[in-house]
Amino acid sequence: EIVLTQSPGTLSFSPGDRATLSCRASQAVSSDYVAWYQQKPGQAPKLLIYAASSRATGIPDRFSGAGSGTAFTLTISRLESDDFAMYYCQQGGTFGGGTKVEIK
Amino acid sequence: QVQLQESGPGLVKPSETLSLTCTVSGGAISRHYWSWIRQPPGKGLEWIGYIYSSGSTVYNPSLESRVTLSVDTSRNQFSLRLSSVTAADTAVYYCARSLMYFDFIYWGQGMLVTVSS
Repeated sequence: EIVLTQSPGTLSFSPGDRATLSCRASQAVSSDYVAWYQQKPGQAPKLLIYAASSRATGIPDRFSGAGSGTAFTLTISRLESDDFAMYYCQQGGTFGGGTKVEIK
Repeated sequence: QVQLQESGPGLVKPSETLSLTCTVSGGAISRHYWSWIRQPPGKGLEWIGYIYSSGSTVYNPSLESRVTLSVDTSRNQFSLRLSSVTAADTAVYYCARSLMYFDFIYWGQGMLVTVSS
């Protein structure tokens, strides 16, 4: 069973900062099935990145994904107020525990 | 624009079966993978399983013994049945459509199902 670890659980940034979120898998996984989601309170998750580095339709280019093997990252190049939310990574049928991006 | 809507009872008694339906509009159910995902209050996401429009299924091993997914292409609907529920099954249940297999591009708004007597 693959376990995805997102740590830390909370990251604090100021608007305009660059944010890099980490997702580590307990064993090497296929990048084809790595995705990232953004979730705001009371809303369904929104797909940001699929296949580790492909942006979903309509997602701004300030969001980028990278990684392979056991280490994956989601980078938000310049945080905007709308970006403060919870972020989940996913590999196949497994989700990470999430990282909350909060305003410093 | 593809839209998904969950429906079903919001309250289920312990040991009974939870049944939800997802109605798809704005696109055909054919040739896509359709999933159920749940989120207990204040917690993370858990994938339950997916069904292809042909009816083939894959389930999360942790829930496989209690889950059944089905699809009705004539009604553009797919359904979830989860048997022998306990309080631990209380969650917001989402239905979703994949781009390929697990990249969930379209989501329903979610439906809170509470397991309580």
